[in-house]
Amino acid sequence: NAGVTQTPKFRVLKTGQSMTLLCAQDMNHEYMYWYRQDPGMGLRLIHYSVGEGTTAKGEVPDGYNVSRLKKQNFLLGLESAAPSQTSVYFCASSQGTGGFQPQHFGDGTRLSIL
Amino acid sequence: DAKTTQPTSMDCAEGRAANLPCNHSTISGNEYVYWYRQIHSQGPQYIIHGLKNNETNEMASLIITEDRKSSTLILPHATLRDTAVYYCIVRYTNDYKLSFGAGTTVTVRA
Repeated sequence: NAGVTQTPKFRVLKTGQSMTLLCAQDMNHEYMYWYRQDPGMGLRLIHYSVGEGTTAKGEVPDGYNVSRLKKQNFLLGLESAAPSQTSVYFCASSQGTGGFQPQHFGDGTRLSIL
Repeated sequence: DAKTTQPTSMDCAEGRAANLPCNHSTISGNEYVYWYRQIHSQGPQYIIHGLKNNETNEMASLIITEDRKSSTLILPHATLRDTAVYYCIVRYTNDYKLSFGAGTTVTVRA
């Protein structure tokens, strides 16, 4: 059981380039999330999805777009990468949003913008 | 979400129990207490959660005080692989996000 899988694991971009981070989960979870973690800081929610075909903004959505065309996949896009987007990006999924539904995380994508 | 307060760091001897405290004095009735940990270079790992009662699973035990203003995560027999940052999170039942603070850096020593 793979759980939550993120690709790629590492990437270096130049300012202004675009890219898409892929998150896939095999637990049939309804909810999926994208977080970013900067050095010495906790995770901050970028965007989330409550089901196939839905997306919503989190705490720090600017500069990112997301899509959830299939239930098992959640894509995070950077249209024009900026150095401030250098971070580690984590995807998570959960069965629901109730307090008794834990989020399960992938191992992250380490992204550097030069 | 209610804010949490955790010690910055703590050491633990291998094979001994590790007791990690967390204060959440402003917690409301509908907020759960979650514990996650993050081992270096990995994603956060769910450990355990609870609302009012003490909970135990294969990884740890969670002790919540009767007034729910504090809790303790217990790792019964710490191993070197338990070295990680441990996060205590209080989350409203329908909130989408998990708010990670600075956590407690736990170092298990041989």
